[in-house]
Amino acid sequence: DTGVSQNPRHKITKRGQNVTFRCDPISEHNRLYWYRQTLGQGPEFLTYFQNEAQLEKSRLLSDRFSAERPKGSFSTLEIQRTEQGDSAMYLCASSLMPMNTEAFFGQGTRLTVV
Amino acid sequence: SQQGEEDPQALSIQEGENATMNCSYKTSINNLQWYRQNSGRGLVHLILIRSNEREKHSGRLRVTLDTSKKSSSLLITASRAADTASYFCATDPNTGNQFYFGTGTSLTVIP
Repeated sequence: DTGVSQNPRHKITKRGQNVTFRCDPISEHNRLYWYRQTLGQGPEFLTYFQNEAQLEKSRLLSDRFSAERPKGSFSTLEIQRTEQGDSAMYLCASSLMPMNTEAFFGQGTRLTVV
Repeated sequence: SQQGEEDPQALSIQEGENATMNCSYKTSINNLQWYRQNSGRGLVHLILIRSNEREKHSGRLRVTLDTSKKSSSLLITASRAADTASYFCATDPNTGNQFYFGTGTSLTVIP
């Protein structure tokens, strides 16, 4: 296991379409995070999982966004009815509980909504 | 919301010089992490410093943490062109279970 893996790396979609991204965390990590990053900004928290349980969602996360982590392994992030404002880099990270451990990020999925 | 704030926003130095960037945050934390991000890529973890630690080293990196001032600094010694990237601090508040990023420092190392 070489790290956190995200697919696809790039996605171009038309406004109104649905998209789904996948994240495979480091295998023994029980925490998985999703962040979004726009140009010139730092990553912004979206949601996180502890094993298969989604424990926190950002208030910024609209109802069009949904994330799952079945069986506590990989995770998917789906955006329904995409809007141009959804264009961003979507980053996934994983870490091992308890706290005070490093969080490792994947290479991200760059979404462009046209 | 972003808790951390890096300073300066941009830094340009000559190869071989040292680069120092700072991070200030607002609330008590469990730990603070520094990351590097090359343009258009993911974040690479550099170093984690815990709230009960004051200084940590890793290769050419030196990180300090002053919890009384709610600030941290990252020093890169003998910089190289390959160090050109954006650097972010991420704080893990002890009131929550996520970590917050600042807006980053963009470092340019001129060969």
